[in-house]
Amino acid sequence: GENVEQHPSTLSVQEGDSAVIKCTYSDSASNYFPWYKQELGKRPQLIIDIRSNVGEKKDQRIAVTLNKTAKHFSLHITETQPEDSAVYFCAASRTYKYIFGTGTRLKVLA
Amino acid sequence: EAGVAQSPRYKIIEKRQSVAFWCNPISGHATLYWYQQILGQGPKLLIQFQNNGVVDDSQLPKDRFSAERLKGVDSTLKIQPAKLEDSAVYLCASSPPQGAGYGYTFGSGTRLTVV
Repeated sequence: GENVEQHPSTLSVQEGDSAVIKCTYSDSASNYFPWYKQELGKRPQLIIDIRSNVGEKKDQRIAVTLNKTAKHFSLHITETQPEDSAVYFCAASRTYKYIFGTGTRLKVLA
Repeated sequence: EAGVAQSPRYKIIEKRQSVAFWCNPISGHATLYWYQQILGQGPKLLIQFQNNGVVDDSQLPKDRFSAERLKGVDSTLKIQPAKLEDSAVYLCASSPPQGAGYGYTFGSGTRLTVV
């Protein structure tokens, strides 16, 4: 069946360093790839997304890259700050359905 | 624009009791989703409605879970009887007719604790 693998499950970085989270999807028809940030006790919030006709997208300190051939996409956070600490979820979507990854707990150490 | 509304925010019940959750999607959103998020895991789709019809309920434990979306707007998710392993956050989400990539929004969720 359709699935999305996400790595690593936990990631600790020093403040100011970069963080990279990677996801691999199985459904080659997936055409939309959002990333969500979820703080403790709160709903997932969309932080960046990319469509299959684009290879890279950047928004300030956050960027996402997509490799359709390899069916993987990555989230890059530069100059990390303590407030970036949260759980991050990737997802792969085909029109109406999202398949979520298992999440990455990011800890930014001050 | 109002967001996806869910109630209650928290619920504590004993095992074998029943419980119901309510969701009101964003106005005009044709697709409504119910997810179960167990602590430390990603959201798992339980059921997806397109208007008032079920599109996907392959991961819904139908012996104890049921959901309906009357009139294609509000939805309720019910668990009867509850088990300890049902303790989780139940998230509702909705998306517009153009598809999930054009405004997919989560509600705040209902945190269920089964004791």
